[in-house]
Amino acid sequence: DIQMTQSPSSLSASVGDTVTITCRANETIDTYLNWYQHKPGKSPSLLIFGATYLQKGVSPRFSGSGSGTDFTLAVTSLEPDDFATYYCQQSSTTPITFGQGTRLDFK
Amino acid sequence: EVRLVESGGGLVQPGGSLKLACVGSGFSLSDSAIHWVRQRSGKGLEWVGRIKPSSEDYATAYSASLKATFIVSRDDSQNTAYLQLNDLKIEDTALYFCTRSQGFGYDKWGQGTLVAVSS
Repeated sequence: DIQMTQSPSSLSASVGDTVTITCRANETIDTYLNWYQHKPGKSPSLLIFGATYLQKGVSPRFSGSGSGTDFTLAVTSLEPDDFATYYCQQSSTTPITFGQGTRLDFK
Repeated sequence: EVRLVESGGGLVQPGGSLKLACVGSGFSLSDSAIHWVRQRSGKGLEWVGRIKPSSEDYATAYSASLKATFIVSRDDSQNTAYLQLNDLKIEDTALYFCTRSQGFGYDKWGQGTLVAVSS
């Protein structure tokens, strides 16, 4: 199985801050990397697909970069609604695997 | 509006079985791969398995740890996908989501159905 490792596991920030989350695969996945936002009691929501492509309707404050094994999700000008848990996911090979999640909370 | 709605969760004893359903509306399920993802209490997202559309021969794949105990299937005439859960263990207690993929990430998710395994 491809292992996905996110860092940090948790992150504290304030409204208006810019944050970055990294995701590393233990083998190359080209750009088969997606990012999701998940809030308690809600379904996960797709933010970025193909490592860099913004899902329709998602704020451009979210951006993704990377290829191969190292990827980054950046969120600029944090808004209150952004405080959630973020997951990376590789869709290169089954079994599909998620990172362990990064919890973003208020500082 | 594109929607996915899961049903079929509930309380079951260890060793028991359940069949979850995922009904699509506002789109044709037959064009999509359907994946199942679960979240155990306090844990992250865990991929369970998927079934591809007829154009890809309804190919299935599963998490290595769940192979042979969970089975995904679909009935495109009913716009419905299924997850058969067999030989359930306490650690299978989780919220089970269905989600669709059309090659660009999982863009639509159901609200989830809760499976509780307990004696």
